[in-house]
Amino acid sequence: GQQVMQIPQYQHVQEGEDFTTYCNSSTTLSNIQWYKQRPGGHPVFLIQLVKSGEVKKQKRLTFQFGEAKKNSSLHITATQTTDVGTYFCAAHSGSARQLTFGSGTQLTVLP
Amino acid sequence: DSGVTQTPKHLITATGQRVTLRCSPRSGDLSVYWYQQSLDQGLQFLIQYYNGEERAKGNILERFSAQQFPDLHSELNLSSLELGDSALYFCASSVAAASAQTDTQYFGPGTRLTVL
Repeated sequence: GQQVMQIPQYQHVQEGEDFTTYCNSSTTLSNIQWYKQRPGGHPVFLIQLVKSGEVKKQKRLTFQFGEAKKNSSLHITATQTTDVGTYFCAAHSGSARQLTFGSGTQLTVLP
Repeated sequence: DSGVTQTPKHLITATGQRVTLRCSPRSGDLSVYWYQQSLDQGLQFLIQYYNGEERAKGNILERFSAQQFPDLHSELNLSSLELGDSALYFCASSVAAASAQTDTQYFGPGTRLTVL
């Protein structure tokens, strides 16, 4: 079945540093979604990318979808302690009805 | 608050037992998804229902079953429980238009199942 690989698994940063997580697929993706799960919480939808090469921004968060629609990244500029959590990418490919989640990147921000 | 409710919040039971987890989707959402999240694991898709019918199946064990009722709430039944079934079980809902692939999924707070 479809797999979405996400790296790194863990990332510790000092508050104010930047952070990036990457998702890669061997197959072309129809779209990619990003979710954030705070410690003890549930996944919360952040954004969806659909077009090849698409870039979207939400304040300090920048989301990119690769030209070949096989990879995506989430970049956080100047992290804050409120950014702590696990970031998941999730994607459909082809006609697949189910959303496949990456393994997540657990971000720790040290004050 | 996503608008998706799940009960119970916590469940502790013994091996071999059977439990039922319940989910009420957001108002207007026709699709319900069930996921399992184990410690240090990502979100494993189990099953999806759309307007009462099974729509997609993931890595759901034969000991697990689900259904969606006419009022659109859903139940996940887990039987012959094993220690390894201990996990967080999330329900999510979406509007799920015909294409479904661009749907946003809204997750409930989850049910933490502990099998002793």
